[in-house]
Amino acid sequence: QVTLRESGPALVKPTQTLTLTCTFSGFSLSTSGMCVSWIRQPPGKALEWLARIDWDDDKYYSTSLKTRLTISKDTSKNQVVLTMTNMDPVDTATYYCARIRYGDYDYWGQGTLVTVSS
Amino acid sequence: QTVVTQEPSLTVSPGGTVTLTCASSTGAVTSGYYPNWFQQKPGQAPRALIYSTSNKHSWTPARFSGSLLGGKAALTLSGVQPEDEAEYYCLLYYGGAVVFGGGTKLTVL
Repeated sequence: QVTLRESGPALVKPTQTLTLTCTFSGFSLSTSGMCVSWIRQPPGKALEWLARIDWDDDKYYSTSLKTRLTISKDTSKNQVVLTMTNMDPVDTATYYCARIRYGDYDYWGQGTLVTVSS
Repeated sequence: QTVVTQEPSLTVSPGGTVTLTCASSTGAVTSGYYPNWFQQKPGQAPRALIYSTSNKHSWTPARFSGSLLGGKAALTLSGVQPEDEAEYYCLLYYGGAVVFGGGTKLTVL
């Protein structure tokens, strides 16, 4: 059974760095073809893809956000971490992590709402 | 900046058929874009429906199907049920990166 769970602060201040953790079970990120991605959704708006990390440690970032994002994995802990620097109120959103298996975004976490406010 | 375009909203009658499309600003969508489709209901996380253009998950109802149509990725719902009222998103691959469409709000009325 594949599950993913996002965790991190519910509230961050402008200019701070956000660190989110995706803890998963039911698969290994050391298995060929497995990847984990982060996606966000501002309230009432569309999904926005942020980043992806692959089983072989290849990393991909949103063109518009790549200077602010870092994705990493700890295979032994079954975790993927996303950091986003210089947070702004427009970054207020629900942040999701999802498993990707050979291009298939099949399983998603329930998401965590992050509010950016002073 | 690559843009993926979906119909903002569509309305369909129960039992009817509706097709949602997903277009790329870079040109025709092909299988190499590995289109994925998701359903999202209010307050819930997205749920995967279709991957790699037309492949269904074990939980995907048979009335949902994916295809390529006129240079776009398409999601067709045949025999629409009231519970199909939701927001639908497509996703396209551009090399290593991915872009989501803006979503289609499907109303069943």
